[in-house]
Amino acid sequence: KAGVTQTPRYLIKTRGQQVTLSCSPISGHRSVSWYQQTPGQGLQFLFEYFSETQRNKGNFPGRFSGRQFSNSRSEMNVSTLELGDSALYLCASSTRQGAGTEAFFGQGTRLTVV
Amino acid sequence: AQSVTQLGSHVSVSEGALVLLRCNYSSSVPPYLFWYVQYPNQGLQLLLKYTSAATLVKGINGFEAEFKKSETSFHLTKPSAHMSDAAEYFCAVSDPAGGGNKLTFGTGTQLKVEL
Repeated sequence: KAGVTQTPRYLIKTRGQQVTLSCSPISGHRSVSWYQQTPGQGLQFLFEYFSETQRNKGNFPGRFSGRQFSNSRSEMNVSTLELGDSALYLCASSTRQGAGTEAFFGQGTRLTVV
Repeated sequence: AQSVTQLGSHVSVSEGALVLLRCNYSSSVPPYLFWYVQYPNQGLQLLLKYTSAATLVKGINGFEAEFKKSETSFHLTKPSAHMSDAAEYFCAVSDPAGGGNKLTFGTGTQLKVEL
């Protein structure tokens, strides 16, 4: 069974631009979560989607948004990019929503903002 | 709010030696706890999880962890380190009281294995 696929793997953008990252979960998984990983702040939860609905949101500004499609694929968008948005963005998929459910992570998208 | 603290941002062991990575949790209710490993330029891989079924949890690659409520700890151990264990390890907690699949991670411990 294929794992979680994130595209693209690497991305370079300029301040002020916007970016869209994509995540295809494991087949049959309906929950997708997004995390930001930086050397300074570590791993931080962005949001979680289940059945096309945002179920949980982290403490990030409104420039960060996401959505989930009917096939469970998810995208996250960051508008008006700032240098501090440079990070590894990780997507995780789970079979269901609920604490204790195993999360399977993709390899991430490395975003560099210049 | 649930949180985890990982003591020691860097741990160095000799190949064949015991690996001990420390994690303490803060939670008002029995939490769900996880250990993940991350290799360079990779995502996170689940090593093991605690969901209250058994206090000693065995994971992949010879790792195990013991949940100790009295010490609020969930330390990760491996009897004999291998060079391939060199990576960053993260302890994480999820909230059984409505947190969904949200994971709160510790700051990570970089494990170095020396010959």
